[in-house]
Amino acid sequence: NAGVTQTPKFQVLKTGQSMTLQCAQDMNHNSMYWYRQDPGMGLRLIYYSASEGTTDKGEVPNGYNVSRLNKREFSLRLESAAPSQTSVYFCASSEGSWNTEAFFGQGTRLTVV
Amino acid sequence: QKEVEQNSGPLSVPEGAIASLNCTYSDRVSQSFFWYRQYSGKSPELIMSIYSNGDKEDGRFTAQLNKASQYVSLLIRDSQPSDSATYLCAVNRDSNYQLIWGAGTKLIIKP
Repeated sequence: NAGVTQTPKFQVLKTGQSMTLQCAQDMNHNSMYWYRQDPGMGLRLIYYSASEGTTDKGEVPNGYNVSRLNKREFSLRLESAAPSQTSVYFCASSEGSWNTEAFFGQGTRLTVV
Repeated sequence: QKEVEQNSGPLSVPEGAIASLNCTYSDRVSQSFFWYRQYSGKSPELIMSIYSNGDKEDGRFTAQLNKASQYVSLLIRDSQPSDSATYLCAVNRDSNYQLIWGAGTKLIIKP
């Protein structure tokens, strides 16, 4: 079982460059999430999609956009990368809403120079 | 005040002893509580969820919830070196609200 698959695992960007982080899940989950994790700050929600066709902002959405392409795929785009976006990004999915178990992808370590 | 607070550690515990991890939260109407484990360089994985006051046991793990005092704890009995990881506490109000995460406690089990 693949579970939640994220690509790429590592990425270095120059300030101002754009990129898209890809995420796909094969568990037929309704909800998908993008988090960032910074040292000492825990996981912070960037965007989420409660179901196919819907997306909503989380705690730290500025500088990001998302697309729920279909039930399986949820992508995160950085239009103009900034050093403050250097972080580890996790995609996650869950069968239902917030009080159900979330399954995480392996993470993307992004460095913006 | 952070909404969900955890001692960052590291918490060092001898092998075979009980490790006790604590988490406090500020929103009194919180209903759902989760403990995730995260190994270094890996993604979080769920260990326990708890929704009612009291204890919930699963193997060597026990989650304890006290809503009146607004804390949730995780006990790990017979600690093993493989338990060395960062433990994340997550809380939410109900199914319509986002999970709020603590920054995590780093646990080190010494052989």
